[in-house]
Amino acid sequence: AQKITQTQPGMFVQEKEAVTLDCTYDTSDQSYGLFWYKQPSSGEMIFLIYQGSYDEQNATEGRYSLNFQKARKSANLVISASQLGDSAMYFCAMREDDGGTSYGKLTFGQGTILTVHP
Amino acid sequence: DGGITQSPKYLFRKEGQNVTLSCEQNLNHDAMYWYRQDPGQGLRLIYYSQIVNDFQKGDIAEGYSVSREKKESFPLTVTSAQKNPTAFYLCASSIWPFGGQPQHFGDGTRLSIL
Repeated sequence: AQKITQTQPGMFVQEKEAVTLDCTYDTSDQSYGLFWYKQPSSGEMIFLIYQGSYDEQNATEGRYSLNFQKARKSANLVISASQLGDSAMYFCAMREDDGGTSYGKLTFGQGTILTVHP
Repeated sequence: DGGITQSPKYLFRKEGQNVTLSCEQNLNHDAMYWYRQDPGQGLRLIYYSQIVNDFQKGDIAEGYSVSREKKESFPLTVTSAQKNPTAFYLCASSIWPFGGQPQHFGDGTRLSIL
C-alpha cells in the first residue's frame, strides 16, 4: 500500500503568488515525522520543512509552511510569494518513529514538479 | 564544511560488471542510507545502516550490496545481478536519535549502462 501520495504530477504558479502542494499519508503509528524536500534539476535533495505528529502548531520556515491536518492525514506544503528559483521537483516524505526499529528510514511520495512563471 | 560526498558523479557500467559507488560523510552521523531514483519518480530505499558493521535491506535490495566498516563510509556495490541499474543513486545520513532531524543527502551518482 502506498504510504505517501502526491496527487499533483505538475503544478504551475505565477511569480509572487502562493502555491499549495498536496501530500497525504498512511500510517498506523502514533509517532511519525513528515518532511518536505526540494530537488532542483541538478539532483541534490534540499530539506525544506519538518512536522512531527505531536506538534500542535503548523511548521513554518521562511516562505514555507506546512498545513498539517492530522485527522485527514494530510501534510500540504504552502510556498508563499513564489520565486523563479522555486521551480523544482518537491517530495513529501514520512518517517515512522516506531521505537527506532525503522532506523529513521524515509518513505517518499512520487513528487510534484513545480514551475514558476514570470 | 560538513557534508556528504558521493563519487563519482557519473558512472558507466558494462554488462556483467560490478561497480561501487562511494559515500563518505563527515557529519558524525550514525545512520546512513542508499536510495535509488528513476526518472520522474520518487526515491526508493535500497539499504540502510544505523551502526558500524550492521545494515538492513530496504525495499529494493536485490542486486545490490553494501558494507559499513567505518562510521563515515557506506559504499554501495551494484552487482551484475541488478539487471536494470540505470538510475540516479542518492546517499543520505542522519543523526540519532532522530527527533526533528532531517536526512542530509549527497549530490548523487548517475549510473548508466554502456
